[in-house]
Amino acid sequence: DTEVTQTPKHLVMGMTNKKSLKCEQHMGHRAMYWYKQKAKKPPELMFVYSYEKLSINESVPSRFSPECPNSSLLNLHLHALQPEDSALYLCASSQDSPTSGNTIYFGEGSWLTVV
Amino acid sequence: QKEVEQNSGPLSVPEGAIASLNCTYSDRGSQSFFWYRQYSGKSPELIMFIYSNGDKEDGRFTAQLNKASQYVSLLIRDSQPSDSATYLCAVNRGQGAQKLVFGQGTRLTINP
Repeated sequence: DTEVTQTPKHLVMGMTNKKSLKCEQHMGHRAMYWYKQKAKKPPELMFVYSYEKLSINESVPSRFSPECPNSSLLNLHLHALQPEDSALYLCASSQDSPTSGNTIYFGEGSWLTVV
Repeated sequence: QKEVEQNSGPLSVPEGAIASLNCTYSDRGSQSFFWYRQYSGKSPELIMFIYSNGDKEDGRFTAQLNKASQYVSLLIRDSQPSDSATYLCAVNRGQGAQKLVFGQGTRLTINP
């Protein structure tokens, strides 16, 4: 079982709605990530938080707004999404030691459908 | 050229045989490499990671890395139907917080 917990598992939202995806980990990891995965495609990195600070934003549209309230929690706020934003949103975490070998562990994902 | 390339498959292997999955990468400075398994409708699950040239074995799985050839492979011995999944090769581009770049994935089917 994954130790990265994501809620909700499924979300259907209209294009004018505001919703949030939530992620929690208790492995003491200090790096947390949001990935987006479309059907039959690999995961694509969206955001990286390192020690609760946003360190990487892969040119993601502003309708996606990440938030890291503390070292265990990561949110993704959604507003005015488009149908093409429908995808599996994966949260992940890892150690943030100064090496290249910190293993990333994924949560089970949140399936988002925008109607 | 894509940063991480895999054959998309599908790769079909009889039960009990060895499945061989291959991956090449373009950034010669890459230092850490990961194999994830993803069942349909599920999230990626870490299978193996490898940092050094050579082979690394874990149960039925062996990862092989050749940095000179920029090549990573995953061997699955005694393949089982439960191994049927998409296998994602990932290369890390960062230090500290990781910046994983994934290949397109290889869909593997083990035939009973």
